[in-house]
Amino acid sequence: AQKITQTQPGMFVQEKEAVTLDCTYDTSDQSYGLFWYKQPSSGEMIFLIYQGSYDEQNATEGRYSLNFQKARKSANLVISASQLGDSAMYFCAMREGQRETSGSRLTFGEGTQLTVNP
Amino acid sequence: GAGVSQSPRYKVAKRGQDVALRCDPISGHVSLFWYQQALGQGPEFLTYFQNEAQLDKSGLPSDRFFAERPEGSVSTLKIQRTQQEDSAVYLCASSLSSGRVYEQYFGPGTRLTVT
Repeated sequence: AQKITQTQPGMFVQEKEAVTLDCTYDTSDQSYGLFWYKQPSSGEMIFLIYQGSYDEQNATEGRYSLNFQKARKSANLVISASQLGDSAMYFCAMREGQRETSGSRLTFGEGTQLTVNP
Repeated sequence: GAGVSQSPRYKVAKRGQDVALRCDPISGHVSLFWYQQALGQGPEFLTYFQNEAQLDKSGLPSDRFFAERPEGSVSTLKIQRTQQEDSAVYLCASSLSSGRVYEQYFGPGTRLTVT
């Protein structure tokens, strides 16, 4: 069974600083995908970044990067140059399989509430 | 372009009532998912459709929950005889069936409150 663990219920960061949100996962699959989503107070889940288990390089998308350590089964999200608009709940999620099948469900962690202070 | 839309955004039901929640996925998206998100928790999978076929319904918590997608586009999640524990946000997501990265695009959710 898949499991996602986010050990930080809440995190605080000063505007313009970088912050790391932790995520560890547990799976027996060799092929899987890892996602980070942002959920502002409006409730919509916004896709941020994706990392495949076979990807050799860490994923980056603008100010977001994923620190993927496969042996440790961790997939931490790094947000650089934090902005006030980054304040939201952040979820790490995992999906079995990363290639042709798109139908696999996402398993989410409990989330981390990030607050960016001015 | 248009994203995933859900209606209603808010629904209050008395215990025992039936409710129907609608999801309009992104046009052309083959895969459609329903998730349930309790307050303060991450979303949990309910069911998955590929076109009109419901390929996985293992996350539906009871036989009071029923989902359909008859024409492979719009989907409806129906909850019969609602209970207080059904109070949650119900999220719908859609994704393409081809391409290397299959991120799921989520709708704004329907917040269901059972009184």
